[in-house]
Amino acid sequence: GAVVSQHPSWVICKSGTSVKIECRSLDFQATTMFWYRQFPKQSLMLMATSNEGSKATYEQGVEKDKFLINHASLTLSTLTVTSAHPEDSSFYICSARKMRGSGNQPQHFGDGTRLSIL
Amino acid sequence: GQNIDQPTEMTATEGAIVQINCTYQTSGFNGLFWYQQHAGEAPTFLSYNVLDGLEEKGRFSSFLSRSKGYSYLLLKELQMKDSASYLCAVRDGDYKLSFGAGTTVTVRA
Repeated sequence: GAVVSQHPSWVICKSGTSVKIECRSLDFQATTMFWYRQFPKQSLMLMATSNEGSKATYEQGVEKDKFLINHASLTLSTLTVTSAHPEDSSFYICSARKMRGSGNQPQHFGDGTRLSIL
Repeated sequence: GQNIDQPTEMTATEGAIVQINCTYQTSGFNGLFWYQQHAGEAPTFLSYNVLDGLEEKGRFSSFLSRSKGYSYLLLKELQMKDSASYLCAVRDGDYKLSFGAGTTVTVRA
């Protein structure tokens, strides 16, 4: 089945540090990947849609200069949280969708990255 | 925009059946998904409905009525490992998913 790998799984760092999270589709090509954020006991909130070879599309209220997204290949998207602060502490999850002909295919999620900013 | 509602919590005993309802009001509809999420983990796919009716997958079934903006997930023969959060998600025409807040199901012995 489709597998999405996300690294790292846990990050603890000081305020002001930039953190990069990788999302890879292991056995399929993904033209589109999605980045979500989930605070404790809340649902997943879509942050941005990552498109291979083009700029990401950000949801309203998400700062594109703070959350940098790069989708350089059909199997890899990265999210960089720049100059992270304690309020950025959250569970970040990526998902990927297969290419054409996959209208009824679900998004497959990575295992998530728990980010804690001290 | 998307508005997706589901109950916050449900409790049931082992071996019982539980039905989780989800109502939605969305600007576009391209399928409804149910995901299971254990604490601290990412969601895992359970079921998908795009046409009206019932989809059955083992102990889990999901129903959709597009005209009513309504879906339910039915969990049969509950097991302790089914204790988790269940997320209802609606996909729009751009393949973006909007999630409900999730229903925490607690299974008791």
